[in-house]
Amino acid sequence: QKEVEQNSGPLSVPEGAIASLNCTYSDRVSQSFFWYRQYSGKSPELIMSIYSNGDKEDGRFTAQLNKASQYVSLLIRDSQPSDSATYLCAGTRNAGGTSYGKLTFGQGTILTVHP
Amino acid sequence: DVKVTQSSRYLVKRTGEKVFLECVQDMDHENMFWYRQDPGLGLRLIYFSYDVKMKEKGDIPEGYSVSREKKERFSLILESASTNQTSMYLCASSQRGSADEKLFFGSGTQLSVL
Repeated sequence: QKEVEQNSGPLSVPEGAIASLNCTYSDRVSQSFFWYRQYSGKSPELIMSIYSNGDKEDGRFTAQLNKASQYVSLLIRDSQPSDSATYLCAGTRNAGGTSYGKLTFGQGTILTVHP
Repeated sequence: DVKVTQSSRYLVKRTGEKVFLECVQDMDHENMFWYRQDPGLGLRLIYFSYDVKMKEKGDIPEGYSVSREKKERFSLILESASTNQTSMYLCASSQRGSADEKLFFGSGTQLSVL
């Protein structure tokens, strides 16, 4: 099993809809989870982090973490064409002591929001 | 704003050449990373460093080495470039012990090995 696996997509939603991006992870990954957004030809940028079970909301973005099911998701409400990008799910590996910020990434999901 | 600068945006090299990719960050971060990004595979960690002269292998270190002589600079070296090392290389840095250990990425170097 891959350490972090995303529904590969691509995902296409109409403007104003809710985009749902999903990610599962293996036992080798835990603690902290992150969603990065990467526009075409650009580098990834952090948009959400989540550490405990439940939901975390930031504007139009909601991250959800379910440790029992080993499942992380990102919901984008009122999707806009400017949200069109690749979304990368990442987690820290289980390790004794500090992870030093080492992340393991999923393969990414391409989201297109069409007008 | 944190700035992570990679020396080249595009590089074309020949098989067997020694290749140096340079990365400099200006925020005094302890942690620095080299990832490569390939379609369908996401980002894979090559090497990371958590202090000057300290380095650890990531998931795919074969064919690569690194150097960190100064805190702000982290170099990736391809000892003898091969065609399967054609990829986008991303450097990143982070502040150790920060709340989310947020990674700041450089703009990337697209390396083509012919």
